[in-house]
Amino acid sequence: GNSVTQMEGPVTLSEEAFLTINCTYTATGYPSLFWYVQYPGEGLQLLLKATKADDKGSNKGFEATYRKETTSFHLEKGSVQVSDSAVYFCALRSYNTNAGKSTFGDGTTLTVKP
Amino acid sequence: GAGVSQSPRYKVTKRGQDVALRCDPISGHVSLYWYRQALGQGPEFLTYFNYEAQQDKSGLPNDRFSAERPEGSISTLTIQRTEQRDSAMYRCASSLTGVETQYFGPGTRLLVL
Repeated sequence: GNSVTQMEGPVTLSEEAFLTINCTYTATGYPSLFWYVQYPGEGLQLLLKATKADDKGSNKGFEATYRKETTSFHLEKGSVQVSDSAVYFCALRSYNTNAGKSTFGDGTTLTVKP
Repeated sequence: GAGVSQSPRYKVTKRGQDVALRCDPISGHVSLYWYRQALGQGPEFLTYFNYEAQQDKSGLPNDRFSAERPEGSISTLTIQRTEQRDSAMYRCASSLTGVETQYFGPGTRLLVL
């Protein structure tokens, strides 16, 4: 079955530091890959996505590249801000087996200190 | 409405009671999904609908859990004879079609005492 593994948190960084959150996956077929973010007190929001190998998703300074050869979709940001403090979830959807459901990782909590 | 809404936002109930959780998807969205999220974990799929048809209920943990979407819009997730292990955040999402981006609601936090 499908699965997503994220690096364990929590991750604590100083403002303007470089961020990497690792994500690897196992899936049948050709999944689409996603990063969701959950800010304190809010619901899940889509941060970025990539639908095929070598695609790069980007949004709000965050980037992730779909690497089929390493089955990875690592999230990066060059300079984090305090406002980036949140929980980040990696997820996949494999449309040829079950178009409906997403499979999520367990989330990585990021805290950015001034 | 502008986004997916869920009610109630918080529900405290006693073990053995039935609860009904409501999801109101984005207008016009064909597909609706239910997930459950335990503390410190990612959302876990429960079931999903296209229009009023339940397409996949493989994630429902047992027969105490059921869901319906009778008119292809609002959906209700019902948990009968609640148990303490049912305590979690229940999240609903909708998408324009089954392959489009899922938009999540704020969730219902259920606490079973």
